[in-house]
Amino acid sequence: AQKVTQAQTEISVVEKEDVTLDCVYETRDTTYYLFWYKQPPSGELVFLIRRNSFDEQNEISGRYSWNFQKSTSSFNFTITASQVVDSAVYFCALRGSPSGGSYIPTFGRGTSLIVHP
Amino acid sequence: DTEVTQTPKHLVMGMTNKKSLKCEQHMGHRAMYWYKQKAKKPPELMFVYSYEKLSINESVPSRFSPECPNSSLLNLHLHALQPEDSALYLCASSQESRAGDPDTQYFGPGTRLTVL
Repeated sequence: AQKVTQAQTEISVVEKEDVTLDCVYETRDTTYYLFWYKQPPSGELVFLIRRNSFDEQNEISGRYSWNFQKSTSSFNFTITASQVVDSAVYFCALRGSPSGGSYIPTFGRGTSLIVHP
Repeated sequence: DTEVTQTPKHLVMGMTNKKSLKCEQHMGHRAMYWYKQKAKKPPELMFVYSYEKLSINESVPSRFSPECPNSSLLNLHLHALQPEDSALYLCASSQESRAGDPDTQYFGPGTRLTVL
């Protein structure tokens, strides 16, 4: 069975602060895929990033960056200089490979980020 | 274009009503999904269609009936729902080659369903 833990239920910051959202995962698959989604109050889950288990390179996209560390089974997400528009619930998700039997996505419980002006 | 559309945006129905939720994608994706999401919870998978065939049913009650008329459309037929079925219903699609790796799921905006 696979599991995704987002220990931070809610984070509150003031605009321009940096914030890191934690994601820790468990899987028996050697090949797996990790995702981050953003869900604003409107409801739609917006895809942010996909990372496979063989690619441990960190990624930066504008104010967003992701730190993938297999040694600690973590895939953390940092927003630099947060803005009010970043306020949303952020979900980390895990999918195994079809042959691994963990094909169905597993979502973490989500972290609600509130950015105050 | 990574758009998945869903209609209606909001739906209020009584327990004896029959209604349908609709989902459409034009990205050429071959897998489509229905999820149910309660407030402050992650999405829960309900059904998966792969190449227009139902491949996964996560033990969903029969009052929810999915249908995939073609590769671009996915419906969820609702009948005799209960108040606890009130939730956000999300549709998603992904590329999913037959022997390939699991692709990114792209989600629609959802239908907020209220059952009275």
